[in-house]
Amino acid sequence: GQNIDQPTEMTATEGAIVQINCTYQTSGFNGLFWYQQHAGEAPTFLSYNVLDGLEEKGRFSSFLSRSKGYSYLLLKELQMKDSASYLCAVRDGDYKLSFGAGTTVTVRA
Amino acid sequence: IAGITQAPTSQILAAGRRMTLRCTQDMRHNAMYWYRQDLGLGLRLIHYSNTAGTTGKGEVPDGYSVSRANTDDFPLTLASAVPSQTSVYFCASGHGESSTDTQYFGPGTRLTVL
Repeated sequence: GQNIDQPTEMTATEGAIVQINCTYQTSGFNGLFWYQQHAGEAPTFLSYNVLDGLEEKGRFSSFLSRSKGYSYLLLKELQMKDSASYLCAVRDGDYKLSFGAGTTVTVRA
Repeated sequence: IAGITQAPTSQILAAGRRMTLRCTQDMRHNAMYWYRQDLGLGLRLIHYSNTAGTTGKGEVPDGYSVSRANTDDFPLTLASAVPSQTSVYFCASGHGESSTDTQYFGPGTRLTVL
């Protein structure tokens, strides 16, 4: 089976930076995904890493270290609309996605 | 352009009843997936289909069945619903077995089994 861990909740102030960590142990590895999910809505794709290093997309960046089984999602210049759950997901050797339980980020004014 | 649609949006069902959740995509994706999402447990894969005519079991397949008669449709059937199947069900689709594949999710079906 897969083991994917991320913090349950984080709170930050508007305009600040928040880093959401994700550690994983999987049978095989074919990429790591981050999804955003607003309450009552479907998950939407944010980022994808398959090689070590940092991928930047506007205010959001994602980092991967395959040797450490570790990733983080960095949210910069936080806005109220960034309040959501952030899901870490790993694609295993069979190309199936396993998800962490999600991190709920609350942005305060 | 709809992407992925699911029906119904929500349903309350008596235990023991049969229920089919519908999922349709218009993106010509080869692969489709059914997940359930429960508080504190995240998304768990129920069944998947890599291409029309084939299906496979995910992490939590018991009590569920699927079929994939064509590319667009991937219905999920609960033959005899039980309260532990109360959950939010998401259908997703993607291009399939490629390391760059991204899955796209439907809006979800909220199912309550009493």
